[in-house]
Amino acid sequence: DAMVIQNPRYQVTQFGKPVTLSCSQTLNHNVMYWYQQKSSQAPKLLFHYYDKDFNNEADTPDNFQSRRPNTSFCFLDIRSPGLGDAAMYLCATSRGLAASYNEQFFGPGTRLTVL
Amino acid sequence: AQRVTQPEKLLSVFKGAPVELKCNYSYSGSPELFWYVQYSRQRLQLLLRHISRESIKGFTADLNKGETSFHLKKPFAQEEDSAMYYCALSVRGQNFVFGPGTRLSVLP
Repeated sequence: DAMVIQNPRYQVTQFGKPVTLSCSQTLNHNVMYWYQQKSSQAPKLLFHYYDKDFNNEADTPDNFQSRRPNTSFCFLDIRSPGLGDAAMYLCATSRGLAASYNEQFFGPGTRLTVL
Repeated sequence: AQRVTQPEKLLSVFKGAPVELKCNYSYSGSPELFWYVQYSRQRLQLLLRHISRESIKGFTADLNKGETSFHLKKPFAQEEDSAMYYCALSVRGQNFVFGPGTRLSVLP
């Protein structure tokens, strides 16, 4: 089945130790998104890629970076995780950004714990 | 900045009763509005969006620009409708903003 895959499902890191979360897709979608969802809160968009074009949300901290080496993969790098970065990280894809193409397909998420 | 509010964190109804999950947004232009749903142990998935004007699983939602609302309605709730429901807004396909979510519990 075509889908959005996130690895690992659970990630534990230490305060200040860089960590990378991975997302891959077999849908061949142009757009890939990263969201942060803290407990009992709404998913918050961090950034998205349209193909190779990177779009950062205005309030995304510099501590969060992303890479998209090809259509299928997208990575979220947290350079110096703080305790406040513990959250569920959701990856999503869509065919495009225009109406009728921007239905988002979500991965299962990676739960990040910062010790 | 765009904002989405869902006033109820938890909504409990009995099976067969009507259900309405409220969503209000703040944006002066013409946004795209969506409802996403997350069933227990499943991924977040699209339920419906205003441009489609269709009924999915018996749910409908009408965009009311005057009241800046996009409430989700179903005339007869089923137990399998129990889930977390998120209202979301997009501007020109970007700047996706999700509301805080409403947990719907349909009681037998």
